[in-house]
Amino acid sequence: ETGVTQTPRHLVMGMTNKKSLKCEQHLGHNAMYWYKQSAKKPLELMFVYNFKEQTENNSVPSRFSPECPNSSHLFLHLHTLQPEDSALYLCASSQVEADASEQYFGPGTRLTVT
Amino acid sequence: GQNIDQPTEMTATEGAIVQINCTYQTSGFNGLFWYQQHAGEAPTFLSYNVLDGLEEKGRFSSFLSRSKGYSYLLLKELQMKDSASYLCAVRDGDYKLSFGAGTTVTVRA
Repeated sequence: ETGVTQTPRHLVMGMTNKKSLKCEQHLGHNAMYWYKQSAKKPLELMFVYNFKEQTENNSVPSRFSPECPNSSHLFLHLHTLQPEDSALYLCASSQVEADASEQYFGPGTRLTVT
Repeated sequence: GQNIDQPTEMTATEGAIVQINCTYQTSGFNGLFWYQQHAGEAPTFLSYNVLDGLEEKGRFSSFLSRSKGYSYLLLKELQMKDSASYLCAVRDGDYKLSFGAGTTVTVRA
C-alpha cells in the first residue's frame, strides 16, 4: 500500500449504530487529520493529531470520537449520528517540519446516515 | 475566523487558459496551497506559495500577494482531464489548513 488509505470507502448506518472509520498512512508522516466534506461547502477540519497527541478539536460534537494509537493509524468512532452528518470524511497526513508540509489525502469514506 | 473566497464555477475551452482567483482574510498566514479534486476522489496537492510572486510547475502556475490577501492559480493549455474542483487553502500556523469552498472548472471540447 502507498500513500494514505481509508476503509471503508462507503458506509450506510442508522442513527443508533456505532461504527468506526479507519485511516492508515504509509508516508512516515508525524501529523494526521480528519476532515468533513459536504456538498458545496469548504472542507471542515475536525481533528488534528501531531506525534499522536490531539492538538485540535474544531468544536466537533461528541458523537465523533477520534483515536490515534500510533503515528500511522487514525480512527474516527461514530455513534448516534444524525442525518446531517452524511458527508465525505477525508483523512490526511503531513510531515510538520518539512518545507511546504503539504497534506496528503486519502480517498475518503462516503458516509450516509439513515 | 477565516474567510477564503473563490468563484464557484468556471468554464473554458480545451487549449485555453483559465485563472482561478482566491482572496483570503485569516488570523495568520504561513503559506497558501492549491489542491485539485476530481469528482469522487481525494484532493491532490498542486502548489504552495509562502513568498510573494509566481511559482510555475509545467502547465500550472500559482501567484501570491500577501499584502493584498490574494492568490491565483493559472491553468494553461487546458485539457479535458483538467475538469475538476480546485481548492484554495491557507495555513495559519504550523499545520492547520482553512479551505475555500472550491472552484469547479469545466473544460469543453
